[in-house]
Amino acid sequence: SSELTQDPAVSVALGQTVRITCQGDSLRKYYATWYQQKPGQAPILVIYGQNTRPSGIPDRFSGSYSGYTASLTITGAQAEDEADYYCNSRDSSDNRLVFGGGTKVTVL
Amino acid sequence: QVQLVQSGAEVKKPGASVKVSCKASGYTFTDYYMYWVRQAPEQGLEWMGWINPNSGGTNYAQRFQGRVTMTRDTSISTAYMELSRLRSDDTAVYYCAGGSNLRYWGQGTLVTVSS
Repeated sequence: SSELTQDPAVSVALGQTVRITCQGDSLRKYYATWYQQKPGQAPILVIYGQNTRPSGIPDRFSGSYSGYTASLTITGAQAEDEADYYCNSRDSSDNRLVFGGGTKVTVL
Repeated sequence: QVQLVQSGAEVKKPGASVKVSCKASGYTFTDYYMYWVRQAPEQGLEWMGWINPNSGGTNYAQRFQGRVTMTRDTSISTAYMELSRLRSDDTAVYYCAGGSNLRYWGQGTLVTVSS
C-alpha cells in the first residue's frame, strides 16, 4: 500500500508564510485532503480537491500540487494556526485511505 | 447542522472487545460513507476502514482485518465499530468521520486497554 510522507515539524514567524508538504505515489492519481488538529480536538477539514476551502476556513489557507507532492500553504500565519496538519488521499493500489504522519506547525 | 455524536469512553482488559457507536444527524445518513480513524496517544491519525451505510459494504485497513467489524443501523442513523482481541497498543481515541472528504467528525471516543 502507499504511504504519505510529511515533515514532522515546521515553524513560522507570525504573519509569515509556511508551506507544509505531503509526498506519495498516490498523489499522482488522487487529490490530497488536508486537516488541522489542535490538542484535544477532532480534526477539521481545511483543504480538499484541487484547492477548495470549506466555508469558514480563512483564505490564508491554500493547496497546490507538483508531481508526487501536495502542499498546504498558510499565507500570513496567525497564532491560532498553530496545530498539527495531516494530509490524506486514497491509496494508489485500492479503495482505501492513507494518512500522512502529520506536521506540527509552530507559530513564533 | 451536521453532528456525529459518539459513545462514551471505555476501559477494557486485554483480549476483550469494544464497540463504539456514532450517531449522525443533520444529513441523510445513507448519502455518505462513514469512516473510522484512530489516534494513539501522541501519535498521528490512522485510517481503520469505512462502511457504506446504504449497502452495508465495508473496506478495512489490512492491519485490522479479522479484528474489526463495522456495521450500521439505518433506522437510527448510527454506525458502529467493533474491535476485538484488544491489546494495550489499541489504546487510542477512535473517531468516526463522514461527509465528502471526511468533512464531519465525531468528538472521539477514548478506549483504554489495560489489565
